[in-house]
Amino acid sequence: SQQGEEDPQALSIQEGENATMNCSYKTSINNLQWYRQNSGRGLVHLILIRSNEREKHSGRLRVTLDTSKKSSSLLITASRAADTASYFCATPNNAGNMLTFGGGTRLMVKP
Amino acid sequence: DTGVSQNPRHKITKRGQNVTFRCDPISEHNRLYWYRQTLGQGPEFLTYFQNEAQLEKSRLLSDRFSAERPKGSFSTLEIQRTEQGDSAMYLCASSREGGYGYTFGSGTRLTVV
Repeated sequence: SQQGEEDPQALSIQEGENATMNCSYKTSINNLQWYRQNSGRGLVHLILIRSNEREKHSGRLRVTLDTSKKSSSLLITASRAADTASYFCATPNNAGNMLTFGGGTRLMVKP
Repeated sequence: DTGVSQNPRHKITKRGQNVTFRCDPISEHNRLYWYRQTLGQGPEFLTYFQNEAQLEKSRLLSDRFSAERPKGSFSTLEIQRTEQGDSAMYLCASSREGGYGYTFGSGTRLTVV
């Protein structure tokens, strides 16, 4: 079973628009991570937010974490066609030795 | 640092054959993970090594699957008597102990015909 579930499953926007993806998880965590996957490729680590953080920025990425609601969001501002990819949230187990991934949001940015 | 390397990139095999995949992690990373990903789904955990010790195995890893990491360097994942349901992308990742982000390889896409 998967710990995190992303919403929406698919998202199509125009270049320049913002894209927001949400992730919900079930058990308590000490961090939550977001990854990107281009079609047919491996995953790339984007950003990690710790359980004591509420918001984190990296370039055009903004991640929020609400531990009371067990949810996180990833915002990509001023999207580009190159942002077209699948985005996954992932949470570690208590031992910190295994990440569990959600089903992903497939983002398409139209030029 | 050349990243995580996986070979082969693609493998087509007949049902019932054995296949072996290789993963070369980042040399400074002592943790290595194998995941399986089917189309439209997120990666599913298969197994985890810390150095040469295999410390976690998913129940997805049936007795037809075996993984090794001799000398704590590269790792191999072998699937015996392949079935059509084994068709998937097999992803390898590595990380430092206490390092939270994983570095993934590009994966090996297995097609069982």
